[in-house]
Amino acid sequence: GENVEQHPSTLSVQEGDSAVIKCTYSDSASNYFPWYKQELGKRPQLIIDIRSNVGEKKDQRIAVTLNKTAKHFSLHITETQPEDSAVYFCAASILNDYKLSFGAGTTVTVRA
Amino acid sequence: NAGVTQTPKFQVLKTGQSMTLQCAQDMNHEYMSWYRQDPGMGLRLIHYSVGAGITDQGEVPNGYNVSRSTTEDFPLRLLSAAPSQTSVYFCATHRTGQGGGYTFGSGTRLTVV
Repeated sequence: GENVEQHPSTLSVQEGDSAVIKCTYSDSASNYFPWYKQELGKRPQLIIDIRSNVGEKKDQRIAVTLNKTAKHFSLHITETQPEDSAVYFCAASILNDYKLSFGAGTTVTVRA
Repeated sequence: NAGVTQTPKFQVLKTGQSMTLQCAQDMNHEYMSWYRQDPGMGLRLIHYSVGAGITDQGEVPNGYNVSRSTTEDFPLRLLSAAPSQTSVYFCATHRTGQGGGYTFGSGTRLTVV
């Protein structure tokens, strides 16, 4: 099955700086890569996703890049704010298969 | 429109007891799944269903049973609880044939003593 590895496990950044989280996947058939944000005690929520037919996608301060050849994808958060503090999960699946394989998560702390 | 409703929110069980975690959705999503979340391990798939009457095993199915008699409900049964099943459990749904991510329930925090 799919194996998703996520790094780093914890990330502390100064407010206003950028944060980058990296994930690798093992199954070359995977073509759908969502990112979820989970605030303390809350449910995971989708923040951005990318499909394998594009290399980059942006939504305001967040962006995701995908390198299918190397089988890795990354989440970039610019101009970080205190409300960005949360656990972020990457995931991978085959589109329309729906079985997501998740990374272990990255705890992001934004220091004021 | 309640989305995905999980009950209970918290539960303490003794080793060997059985219980059912409930998941109900009102979005007419065909796909429903159960994940467990443990520190440092992300979310791991327990069981999933692509429609009423159809279920299949995920990555960590041992010790759990599921059934899907209706589109709306997907209960998870712990047959004989063990301390290793202490975790936070999330139900997640998706409308097949459409993009976008899962809709998660609010989770059930289970402690087995």
